[in-house]
Amino acid sequence: QQQVKQSPQSLIVQKGGISIINCAYENTAFDYFPWYQQFPGKGPALLIAIRPDVSEKKEGRFTISFNKSAKQFSLHIMDSQPGDSATYFCAASLRYRGSTLGRLYFGRGTQLTVWP
Amino acid sequence: DTAVSQTPKYLVTQMGNDKSIKCEQNLGHDTMYWYKQDSKKFLKIMFSYNNKELIINETVPNRFSPKSPDKAHLNLHINSLELGDSAVYFCASSQSRTGGFLGSPLHFGNGTRLTVT
Repeated sequence: QQQVKQSPQSLIVQKGGISIINCAYENTAFDYFPWYQQFPGKGPALLIAIRPDVSEKKEGRFTISFNKSAKQFSLHIMDSQPGDSATYFCAASLRYRGSTLGRLYFGRGTQLTVWP
Repeated sequence: DTAVSQTPKYLVTQMGNDKSIKCEQNLGHDTMYWYKQDSKKFLKIMFSYNNKELIINETVPNRFSPKSPDKAHLNLHINSLELGDSAVYFCASSQSRTGGFLGSPLHFGNGTRLTVT
């Protein structure tokens, strides 16, 4: 059972355009929502993250929008650049057996290609 | 000065063999993980260790056995390799103390691509 559903699977955007990736979840106990970026041949790396008590977080060209009532969150990449071409993963974290250790559930990833 | 390093980067082996993947982190983190990424890039947690103690053990065949000699190392040993074990295996680490944020970022290694023929 997929805990976090991500769409689209792939996305092609022209340079300067806006890339939007959407995620949805069911478990209201999730308490942390990060996005990871993965380049070919590399491991995923944290890009930006948000807590559920905040509706938006912006870092440079990257913005997370969070809709708690709809149980949805999305990543917006403004002024997309060819260097943004990568696979993006949304994730959600849940305390594991009462521990503060986050247990991350990843979405299936979105392959973003930005054309010059 | 790599933060999370895995060896080997590539591993090609035949069915039935036993192999190990090593992981070391120099970030001073107290929690380490193994993730499996399949051909469709889906990331699935396999194991998590906190201060050498097994914390998360997902539904993974018991042919997979993690070993943590100290909190900076988490190795993965796989017995009797099968074709379906072919994937990229990522080691990761994090700090369990969250500093006020309910989650601490995972730092991933660059992966070990395992091919079983």
